[in-house]
Formats: sequence, C-alpha cells, structure tokens
Amino acid sequence: ETGVTQSPTHLIKTRGQQVTLRCSSQSGHNTVSWYQQALGQGPQFIFQYYREEENGRGNFPPRFSGLQFPNYSSELNVNALELDDSALYLCASSLGTNQNTEAFFGQGTRLTVV
Amino acid sequence: AQSVTQLGSHVSVSEGALVLLRCNYSSSVPPYLFWYVQYPNQGLQLLLKYTSAATLVKGINGFEAEFKKSETSFHLTKPSAHMSDAAEYFCAVTVSGGYQKVTFGTGTKLQVIP
Repeated sequence: ETGVTQSPTHLIKTRGQQVTLRCSSQSGHNTVSWYQQALGQGPQFIFQYYREEENGRGNFPPRFSGLQFPNYSSELNVNALELDDSALYLCASSLGTNQNTEAFFGQGTRLTVV
Repeated sequence: AQSVTQLGSHVSVSEGALVLLRCNYSSSVPPYLFWYVQYPNQGLQLLLKYTSAATLVKGINGFEAEFKKSETSFHLTKPSAHMSDAAEYFCAVTVSGGYQKVTFGTGTKLQVIP
C-alpha cells in the first residue's frame, strides 16, 4: 500500500507566475485536502475534494484552485503568485469526509516565490 | 467555531524526563481532537486521536493524551523522552460542516537534551 506522494518536492517561482502542485492519494482514499504551512506556523486548510468535487474551502482567494481526477489524485493550482505564497504545501488523503477519519499527509512541496 | 491553542512554542526536556505538551480547545459541540508530529522537512504523522470512546488515548511511540472536558484540555504526555522525540507537535481539531477540515494549533517544538 503506497502512501501519499507529492511532486515536486521543491519549487522556485517568480512573483506573478502560476504553479501546479500534484498529489497522489493513498490507495483506496477518495478524499484529498490541501494545506498551506508558512514557516513557523501550523498548516492552514485550503480546500478539500471528495469524489472529484470541491466540498469545502478555507479562507483562501480564488487564485487558489484545484482538481481531483477519477483516480482521486489531485492538483493544486495557484495563479498570480505572491511572495507570501512561499510555504510548504501539504496534501492529505482520507477515506470519506467524517470528522474523525484519519488524514494521511504527504511530505509536502516547498514553494519559494522570489 | 472550533479552535485549539497550544501553550509554549518551544519546550525543552532532558532525555528520560517527562514530556508534557499543552493543548486547550474551544468547541461548542463535542470535538474530535488529534495530535500530529512533524519531523524536519517531513509531512505530518498522526500520533493519536480522541473520538469520545475513551478519555485517555494511547498513541504511537509511547505518547498518550487525556481529554478533560472540565478543563477543555487535551495535553500530550510521554513518561520518558527519547532523543528521537525531537520534532514539532501539532494539536488539531476537526470542524463540523459536512467536510473534514482539520484546524491546527501553532505547534510546539520539542527539544530533547542529552
């Protein structure tokens, strides 16, 4: 059973560019959530996808968007990058959306915006 | 809205000493509470979770936490610290609303002194 994998592990982008981050969920998991973890902070919820539909969103602007594919893998897209978007982006997968379901996290993508 | 507060951004203990990491929660409904650990440049790993089945929850690596409703606390403890316990620890709560949104505390960095 493979765990949650994210790619790339590190990325450097210029302000104003667009970026796509990828996540493969753990086998059998149909729910993917994305989190942003700024340096020295706890992760902040961006949004969640369940069976290819966004079913919950945190306090992030529309330039943060996502997709979930039929195999439950997911992408996070960020347009018009800002310096404050520099952070570790974490993907988590789970089976279903129950509140007490364990979320399994990937190792993250470290995004640096210069 | 549910939230968690972690007291102490840095905690230092001697190897073999008791580990106590503090977390208080705020919730208008019975919460689901979690402790996650994050090693440097890694994702998050679940240590334990409280789902109302038992107030004393045992997790991996010898950690445990006790849910105290009267004190709105969910402190993490370990009787004897190991060098390998040095990491950042996050208390978290899931938010009701039809999807699984994990709200994290700001984290406590644990240093273990030989």
